[in-house]
Amino acid sequence: AQSVSQHNHHVILSEAASLELGCNYSYGGTVNLFWYVQYPGQHLQLLLKYFSGDPLVKGIKGFEAEFIKSKFSFNLRKPSVQWSDTAEYFCAVLDGIQGAQKLVFGQGTRLTINP
Amino acid sequence: SQTIHQWPATLVQPVGSPLSLECTVEGTSNPNLYWYRQAAGRGLQLLFYSVGIGQISSEVPQNLSASRPQDRQFILSSKKLLLSDSGFYLCGGTGQNEQFFGPGTRLTVL
Repeated sequence: AQSVSQHNHHVILSEAASLELGCNYSYGGTVNLFWYVQYPGQHLQLLLKYFSGDPLVKGIKGFEAEFIKSKFSFNLRKPSVQWSDTAEYFCAVLDGIQGAQKLVFGQGTRLTINP
Repeated sequence: SQTIHQWPATLVQPVGSPLSLECTVEGTSNPNLYWYRQAAGRGLQLLFYSVGIGQISSEVPQNLSASRPQDRQFILSSKKLLLSDSGFYLCGGTGQNEQFFGPGTRLTVL
């Protein structure tokens, strides 16, 4: 079964700094990858997803992620963060066969942006 | 649009008490449904998933059970809570090729 590792547990940045959050999944083949965000007190929301095609994926709120197959990675990036980006970020991979698939999440990265 | 309702948002229960968390789905039929838990400092761990009424798969052995009495209802239960059951419980679903989630329940067992 797939597993997902997020290397940064808590990241603290100042506004306008650049962001990169690491995500690695355990084995190759066809993968469907996701980044989710949970703002304080809110539902988990989809930021972006990769199924196939261009390995550089653009998401909402200025986020992007790059799928690098050779590195089993799907790192999340944003060139200039804002205070409102303070949230918990989860990387996930879809595991299993069609009809019985499930999302496998990483342990999450808490991002704190100081104004 | 697809929506998941979960309640309550927070819950404090004594050790040894029973638990029942309910998750209901709107906007799609025959979804795959999931219960996740996030313990303090840990990721979202899949506890149970269901591909249909009465069909439950357990991912990890534990003190909890799940049931799906109706297509759009998924219940997480325990007969006797342990301290280690504290955490954030999230119900999720897959329908129409999209994954969607409820707001979660933060459970504290004292």
